[in-house]
Amino acid sequence: EPEVTQTPSHQVTQMGQEVILRCVPISNHLYFYWYRQILGQKVEFLVSFYNNEISEKSEIFDDQFSVERPDGSNFTLKIRSTKLEDSAMYFCASSTSGRWNEQFFGPGTRLTVL
Amino acid sequence: ELKVEQNPLFLSMQEGKNYTIYCNYSTTSDRLYWYRQDPGKSLESLFVLLSNGAVKQEGRLMASLDTKARLSTLHITAAVHDLSATYFCAVDTHTDKLIFGTGTRLQVFP
Repeated sequence: EPEVTQTPSHQVTQMGQEVILRCVPISNHLYFYWYRQILGQKVEFLVSFYNNEISEKSEIFDDQFSVERPDGSNFTLKIRSTKLEDSAMYFCASSTSGRWNEQFFGPGTRLTVL
Repeated sequence: ELKVEQNPLFLSMQEGKNYTIYCNYSTTSDRLYWYRQDPGKSLESLFVLLSNGAVKQEGRLMASLDTKARLSTLHITAAVHDLSATYFCAVDTHTDKLIFGTGTRLQVFP
């Protein structure tokens, strides 16, 4: 069964460093998302992406964040200068047709900022 | 802003007992999802509820949706230890994003 994959599973970085989290969505899906979950808290929407552009973003997704689909398979989340409060689990998700279609989640990348 | 609240936040229950988790949301939506999350793991899709009155059952879990009341329930029947996890509801908004509830951490003990 097709699934969303994410790499790495765990990333440790120093405050102020740039990180890139990678996701491979399900192959025939057209809509891509990033969510994050701070330890012990609820899952929060960051950004949605369709047709090579951001379709919606949350207040969390400030200028330090960017997303890209550099080729036909990968979808990346870049954090330009990490802060301690960026430590969280980051989930990628994809769906076939966006609105009103189920999103399928990847296994997550745990980001630890020291 | 859409708010999604679950209660209880924490539920400790004995094996064999029944209980219901409630998910209330603050705006109109016809779609709601229930997920299970084990510690340190991803979100496992349990139920997709697509319309008012929808009811779905899988094993010891049953989910329902009342869009008029803006309420979904996840009912646990005869709980077993394997059901111990955190359960999230998520509301499909009129945009692209899901808004997740606060989560209910379920612990089932013998």
